[in-house]
Amino acid sequence: QVQLVQSGGEVKKPGASMKVSCKASGYTFTDYGVGWVRQAPGQGLEWVGWVSTYNINTDYAQKFQGRVTMTTDTSTSTAYLELRSLTSDDTAVYYCTRGGDFLRYWGQGTLVTVSS
Amino acid sequence: EIVLTQSPGTLSLSPGERATLSCRASQSVARTSLAWYQQKPGQAPRLLIYGASSRATDIPDRFSGSGSGTDFTLTISRLEPEDFAVYYCQQYGSSPRTFGQGTKVEVK
Repeated sequence: QVQLVQSGGEVKKPGASMKVSCKASGYTFTDYGVGWVRQAPGQGLEWVGWVSTYNINTDYAQKFQGRVTMTTDTSTSTAYLELRSLTSDDTAVYYCTRGGDFLRYWGQGTLVTVSS
Repeated sequence: EIVLTQSPGTLSLSPGERATLSCRASQSVARTSLAWYQQKPGQAPRLLIYGASSRATDIPDRFSGSGSGTDFTLTISRLEPEDFAVYYCQQYGSSPRTFGQGTKVEVK
């Protein structure tokens, strides 16, 4: 069965960087890209972006351009989300998803807390 | 960017009643590329509907989606106790993908 298992929660200081991993199993990793969606406490869902797993293509939401990098490691079927220059507004649960269109499979979520 | 506006913000209904949720787009959604998700507290969202009207695997037939262009609807024909949750629409016809702000379906 398809599984997306994310790394554990993180606490970061303002200005620091975060890096969340998402290990996929149960399907051919390079058949689908990986999307990232975040959800601030008590708020709605927000699209962060998408990364291809078979070439270097990415598609980032405008508000994150310049401080986000999404990468993949096909040898371990793992995707990574890096977000830099963190502020308290980046406190959220970050989800990885299989694909970047309609999102059938989701990781369990990783809580990243930004606090001084 | 396509802005999705969901209404109402909260829907207070009793089990067995019919729920009608609306999602309106600021511009036409390409190829009916509209999905609906259900989210319960502490859980990841669950895909219900894609392509505006296709039910995802294992989704009960009391959930149905309709619409095209800028107006979309999710209908739950008879609410079961497990259906009380927050529902989001999402468009994936253009970049960036965007979500509506959510409709909470609560017990009256």
